[in-house]
Amino acid sequence: NAGVMQNPRHLVRRRGQEARLRCSPMKGHSHVYWYRQLPEEGLKFMVYLQKENIIDESGMPKERFSAEFPKEGPSILRIQQVVRGDSAAYFCASNPGTTGGLEQFFGPGTRLTVL
Amino acid sequence: AQKVTQAQTEISVVEKEDVTLDCVYETRDTTYYLFWYKQPPSGELVFLIRRNSFDEQNEISGRYSWNFQKSTSSFNFTITASQVVDSAVYFCALDTGGFKTIFGAGTRLFVKA
Repeated sequence: NAGVMQNPRHLVRRRGQEARLRCSPMKGHSHVYWYRQLPEEGLKFMVYLQKENIIDESGMPKERFSAEFPKEGPSILRIQQVVRGDSAAYFCASNPGTTGGLEQFFGPGTRLTVL
Repeated sequence: AQKVTQAQTEISVVEKEDVTLDCVYETRDTTYYLFWYKQPPSGELVFLIRRNSFDEQNEISGRYSWNFQKSTSSFNFTITASQVVDSAVYFCALDTGGFKTIFGAGTRLFVKA
C-alpha cells in the first residue's frame, strides 16, 4: 500500500527556468494539499485541490505559481521563472477528504534549489 | 483569524528526561481539530494525534501524552523518558473543518545520549 509519492526528491534549477513538482496521493485519496517549508521554518499552506478542481489557493503566490490535479495522473505544482527565494522543500499531502479535520498523509517532499 | 503558536524554537534534553512541547492556538470556531506531527531528519512528516474540540480527554500512547485544555487554548505534548530517536521537529496544527490546516512554526527537539 504505497504512501504519498513525490518526485523528483531533489530538483536543481537556474534562475528563470521552470520547476515541475509531481505528487501522487495515496490510493483512494482524492484530496491533495501542497505546502512549502523554508529552511528552519514551519509549513506554509499553498493550495488544496480535489480532482480537476482547485478548492483553496489562498496560500499560493499569485504570479509564477500554479497547481493542478487532473482526472488522471499526479498533481503538479508548477513554478515558472524560478528565483532564488523559491528554494525550499515542497511537501504534498493527501487524505480522503470526506469530512473536515482529517489527518493528512505526507510525501517525502521535493527539495528545490535555485542557483 | 486562526493561528498556532509554538513558542519553543529548540529544546535540548538528555536521554531519559521528560520533555513537554507547548502549543497555543487561536480560533473563533467552536468546532475545530488539533494535530501533532513529527518530522524526523529524513524530512517526511508523520501524523501523531488528532483531537477534536469537543473531546478534552487527555490521551496517552506509550511514552507520548497530550494535554488539551480549552480554557487556555493549549494542546501540549509530553514525551516521557525521551530517547535519541525522538529527535525531530514537532509541529502542532489546527484545522477548523474547512480542509485547510494551519501549522505552527515547529519545535526542534534534540535528545542527547
